[in-house]
Amino acid sequence: DAGVIQSPRHEVTEMGQEVTLRCKPISGHNSLFWYRQTMMRGLELLIYFNNNVPIDDSGMPEDRFSAKMPNASFSTLKIQPSEPRDSAVYFCASSRGQGTDTQYFGPGTRLTVL
Amino acid sequence: GQQVMQIPQYQHVQEGEDFTTYCNSSTTLSNIQWYKQRPGGHPVFLIQLVKSGEVKKQKRLTFQFGEAKKNSSLHITATQTTDVGTYFCAVFSGTYKYIFGTGTRLKVLA
Repeated sequence: DAGVIQSPRHEVTEMGQEVTLRCKPISGHNSLFWYRQTMMRGLELLIYFNNNVPIDDSGMPEDRFSAKMPNASFSTLKIQPSEPRDSAVYFCASSRGQGTDTQYFGPGTRLTVL
Repeated sequence: GQQVMQIPQYQHVQEGEDFTTYCNSSTTLSNIQWYKQRPGGHPVFLIQLVKSGEVKKQKRLTFQFGEAKKNSSLHITATQTTDVGTYFCAVFSGTYKYIFGTGTRLKVLA
């Protein structure tokens, strides 16, 4: 079975540009999570969905960040406008959604904002 | 909010030495998970602990859940270079959500 798929794997952009990160969860998984990882702040949960519905977006840093899950097999995390402090590795993870299930992480997108 | 601290932040050991990382929570936990992240990689699930005092083993790795269910430990016996990485605990925070600890970065010197 394919794992969680993320694209792009690397993104370099200039400050002020819009960035869109994409994620395809494991088929049959009902929960999807977006994390951000930096040296300073560690692994932070940004937002998570269950059955395509956003459950908790309290980790989203500010209005520049938005996430959507239009269907069970696709999610996006958008940053508009991007800033240098958004530079980080962004992980998408999915789980069966049975409460205390294992999370399966994608390979991540390394974002650099110049 | 719920806080999850791991100690130490970093640990350098000689190959063959033992290693232990500790995870401490400010609240009683329903369960705890452990993940490993290799350098440049993504977190990978290792194990889940649910019962008070539970001990589980995976080859050279021993996981323990505290009696009060507020702390946990991961012990590696006779480390190998393949054990290099960052070890995270993750605590269930309700409604599908886990909070990850600060992580312990392990470096094994050959």
